[in-house]
Amino acid sequence: AQTVTQSQPEMSVQEAETVTLSCTYDTSESDYYLFWYKQPPSRQMILVIRQEAYKQQNATENRFSVNFQKAAKSFSLKISDSQLGDAAMYFCASVRDYGGSQGNLIFGKGTKLSVKP
Amino acid sequence: KAGVTQTPRYLIKTRGQQVTLSCSPISGHRSVSWYQQTPGQGLQFLFEYFSETQRNKGNFPGRFSGRQFSNSRSEMNVSTLELGDSALYLCASRRTVSTDTQYFGPGTRLTVL
Repeated sequence: AQTVTQSQPEMSVQEAETVTLSCTYDTSESDYYLFWYKQPPSRQMILVIRQEAYKQQNATENRFSVNFQKAAKSFSLKISDSQLGDAAMYFCASVRDYGGSQGNLIFGKGTKLSVKP
Repeated sequence: KAGVTQTPRYLIKTRGQQVTLSCSPISGHRSVSWYQQTPGQGLQFLFEYFSETQRNKGNFPGRFSGRQFSNSRSEMNVSTLELGDSALYLCASRRTVSTDTQYFGPGTRLTVL
């Protein structure tokens, strides 16, 4: 079974600084996808970034980038130039690829990110 | 394009009652998944529907059920509510089951008294 672990329940960053959120996962599968979702307080869960496991190149989306270390089963999220609007719960998640058919999301427990002005 | 919508946004029920939650996926999306979010257990997968058929089911009791209609809208039902069923219920849609990325609705906050 797949598991996703986020070891940092809470993190804090100064506005305009950089922060890295950690995520490790455990899977015996070779084909899977990894995600970071953001859930602001009382607001909708939105996709931040997505990584295909078969791609070695780390995904980037504007100020958000990942450090994907497949052998170590590590998938950390780096937020550069942090903004007040980045304050939220961040969830790391994985989806197993069943040969073209995708499974359900397996989530970590989340990391609550605070941004200080 | 409109996002995933869920109704109602908030519900208060008492133990023993039943409840039905509704989810309308993004236009063109045929797969709908349901997740339960609680402070203690985090986000847990309930079930997924695709083309009106339950494709996958998480580890929840039979009191939790769902269905999907021909227009891809989905409902989930919880019968004989327990206090522990209080949670945020999230619906997510994706285009097909071969699509990896799911998009979430705002959720329905269920409180069981």
